[in-house]
Amino acid sequence: QKEVEQNSGPLSVPEGAIASLNCTYSDRGSQSFFWYRQYSGKSPELIMFIYSNGDKEDGRFTAQLNKASQYVSLLIRDSQPSDSATYLCAVNEWGGADGLTFGKGTHLIIQP
Amino acid sequence: ETGVTQTPRHLVMGMTNKKSLKCEQHLGHNAMYWYKQSAKKPLELMFVYNFKEQTENNSVPSRFSPECPNSSHLFLHLHTLQPEDSALYLCASSQEGASSGNTIYFGEGSWLTVV
Repeated sequence: QKEVEQNSGPLSVPEGAIASLNCTYSDRGSQSFFWYRQYSGKSPELIMFIYSNGDKEDGRFTAQLNKASQYVSLLIRDSQPSDSATYLCAVNEWGGADGLTFGKGTHLIIQP
Repeated sequence: ETGVTQTPRHLVMGMTNKKSLKCEQHLGHNAMYWYKQSAKKPLELMFVYNFKEQTENNSVPSRFSPECPNSSHLFLHLHTLQPEDSALYLCASSQEGASSGNTIYFGEGSWLTVV
């Protein structure tokens, strides 16, 4: 049974600070890793994906992957109130069309 | 507006009704999915279709019946549902083998309430 674990929060961060979101996964065979953002009442939207160990940066967002520790994180720099949402971590085992396994999500609140 | 459209957006149905959810993707993808999202639970993968063939069925009760007539359209037929089936049903699509690592793209979802 593949599992993806996230702290449900809420995680409260002051505006302008760095928000750090963490995720662990159980299946060592997982190949690709995704972060989605979901606003209340809306569907998830992709922020970024990563499949190599290390860091991947896209604007204010940085994804970090450590396959040895089975750990993925998302850093949000210069946090804005519009970043307040639930962030979903997801993993894909073989990169094929077999769907993603999602965590429950972390509820992030950016305080003005 | 996304490349994946779902109808209806909201549906209320009785336990003896039969209804269907519809999904259409305009992204040229070859895989389509149904996910269920309930409160305080992670997104649950229900069905996967790859090139119109069902490749995964995650032990979903038979009161949910998927149909994929072509790689752009996906249906979820609903009959004799239970109140605990009330949830957000999300359709998604992806392109297997793409450089995006099989990223899936979601539709806006269909909110289902069973009374």
